[in-house]
Amino acid sequence: SQTIHQWPATLVQPVGSPLSLECTVEGTSNPNLYWYRQAAGRGLQLLFYSVGIGQISSEVPQNLSASRPQDRQFILSSKKLLLSDSGFYLCAWMGYRPYFGPGTRLTVT
Amino acid sequence: DQQVKQNSPSLSVQEGRISILNCDYTNSMFDYFLWYKKYPAEGPTFLISISSIKDKNEDGRFTVFLNKSAKHLSLHIVPSQPGDSAVYFCAVTTSGTYKYIFGTGTRLKVLA
Repeated sequence: SQTIHQWPATLVQPVGSPLSLECTVEGTSNPNLYWYRQAAGRGLQLLFYSVGIGQISSEVPQNLSASRPQDRQFILSSKKLLLSDSGFYLCAWMGYRPYFGPGTRLTVT
Repeated sequence: DQQVKQNSPSLSVQEGRISILNCDYTNSMFDYFLWYKKYPAEGPTFLISISSIKDKNEDGRFTVFLNKSAKHLSLHIVPSQPGDSAVYFCAVTTSGTYKYIFGTGTRLKVLA
């Protein structure tokens, strides 16, 4: 069966610091992968999706970027965090429907 | 531009009663609809879905209703249990596309 991992689970970072969140998927090959964000008072916002290594599409212009260096690895990054980047970040892979990882709680202070 | 709206941010229901969560969408091209449940500090988990060829789908205590003409779907939970307390997201998509659009969520609290 497929498993999706995210780390870290919780992160507190100062404004202006860099960010790297990692997502890996087990049990499937060439998955479609997604980054979503749940911010306070908002729904699940699609940030990026990827259909393969090196292929990234951005849904929302923002301070974040994504990369897919390996088939089952998806990374969310920022060079300089903003307060508005705080939220709960979710990685998902697409099977018959989105399957979500456990998420990372990011607090920018 | 919110294509999917859940107009009730929160809902409280007594244990044993019915919970009704609502979701409205704007684009008639959407043809597959899902509900997810999310506990704090966890990823959302799939609950139930319905395709546009149906108007009702049941799974145990959970039933989803789809009204295509009104572009409205609802989730009924009967009977509600304290363990159902969570945030519920509706999601919509068009078959064959990559994109699932989620609503803003409704926080359900079932009171014992």
